[in-house]
Amino acid sequence: EPEVTQTPSHQVTQMGQEVILRCVPISNHLYFYWYRQILGQKVEFLVSFYNNEISEKSEIFDDQFSVERPDGSNFTLKIRSTKLEDSAMYFCASSENAVLNNSPLHFGNGTRLTVT
Amino acid sequence: GESVGLHLPTLSVQEGDNSIINCAYSNSASDYFIWYKQESGKGPQFIIDIRSNMDKRQGQRVTVLLNKTVKHLSLQIAATQPGDSAVYFCAENFGQGGSEKLVFGKGTKLTVNP
Repeated sequence: EPEVTQTPSHQVTQMGQEVILRCVPISNHLYFYWYRQILGQKVEFLVSFYNNEISEKSEIFDDQFSVERPDGSNFTLKIRSTKLEDSAMYFCASSENAVLNNSPLHFGNGTRLTVT
Repeated sequence: GESVGLHLPTLSVQEGDNSIINCAYSNSASDYFIWYKQESGKGPQFIIDIRSNMDKRQGQRVTVLLNKTVKHLSLQIAATQPGDSAVYFCAENFGQGGSEKLVFGKGTKLTVNP
């Protein structure tokens, strides 16, 4: 069964450093997302991406965050200057169609980001 | 406001019993709901979904019930197995306004005792 893959599984970085989290969505999917989960808390929406542009973003997704689809297979999340509170699990997801059209999201296994 | 919550944070059942996990949602505009299972160290795994024009949907060993009158969603797992032990999240899509995001509940931890 096709799956969303994320790398690395664990990233440790120092406060103020830039990190790039990478994702390979399911190949025939057109909609891409990033969510995060702080330890023991809910899964929170960050951003959705379609047709090479951001379609929706949350209040969490400030100017320190950016997303990119640099080629036909990868989808990346960049945090420009990491803060301690950015420590969380970051999940990439993709869907064949829009959630609005009742298309479920399929998630990767996440990247655990630890900011020290 | 955005509020998707769960009545029970933990649920412990015996292997072979049926499990029922509940979820309350507050946004009457929500028109699509999904149940996810999250095992330790893994991402949310899609289990089953339901649209707001339905009140019941069945999958393999799982059934989702939707009661729009009281804004309640439940996941029933038949003949629960040790492999079902995980945290279960409900998620909703508000639909109206063109929102693409899913809003997740807090999660219920299901423990299956052998």
